[in-house]
Amino acid sequence: GESVGLHLPTLSVQEGDNSIINCAYSNSASDYFIWYKQESGKGPQFIIDIRSNMDKRQGQRVTVLLNKTVKHLSLQIAATQPGDSAVYFCAENVNFGNEKLTFGTGTRLTIIP
Amino acid sequence: DAEITQSPRHKITETGRQVTLACHQTWNHNNMFWYRQDLGHGLRLIHYSYGVHDTNKGEVSDGYSVSRSNTEDLPLTLESAASSQTSVYFCASGRERNEQFFGPGTRLTVL
Repeated sequence: GESVGLHLPTLSVQEGDNSIINCAYSNSASDYFIWYKQESGKGPQFIIDIRSNMDKRQGQRVTVLLNKTVKHLSLQIAATQPGDSAVYFCAENVNFGNEKLTFGTGTRLTIIP
Repeated sequence: DAEITQSPRHKITETGRQVTLACHQTWNHNNMFWYRQDLGHGLRLIHYSYGVHDTNKGEVSDGYSVSRSNTEDLPLTLESAASSQTSVYFCASGRERNEQFFGPGTRLTVL
């Protein structure tokens, strides 16, 4: 995931607009990726995942794009709502059967009413 | 409903004391994980277990230990707490790599 020093990257988006959160992953051998959402005072919550044999996967209001060439992952949230305000983490995994995840440092998304 | 719980939710301790953080899940998951979360570092893996009596070190395991005597519990012990171990600790459990369900976290302060 992205190394961003001591401060989280932040993104502010007007309610109803679309948001894009980016993540650069570190291991070219990673073959599985997950996006998590973490609200204040809570544990991370699974949003969507994608395997390395895919470039795009869609869920409800969310789309994950994977560019293996540049080791980049993005999460698109459509028609953002106040409840989307949270910190978003990408996580990568190498090899099915090795269940460990490596997490990025996260991006704080703030939805402006 | 099945769930994962952590206790205590908040803990203040002194340098040098032994501290144990509890994690309990009722999903009957084989895989359990402990992470610490610090600003600028995201979630870092401390220890993990793939089943009863199995434990493995993560990337930041120094000063921590775990034991897995049953499926439901993976307690995390700080042998001699240090100020550098002030953090928020998360436990997670799952069956496969796309299933890591996280607990609510324990905020530990070491004075």
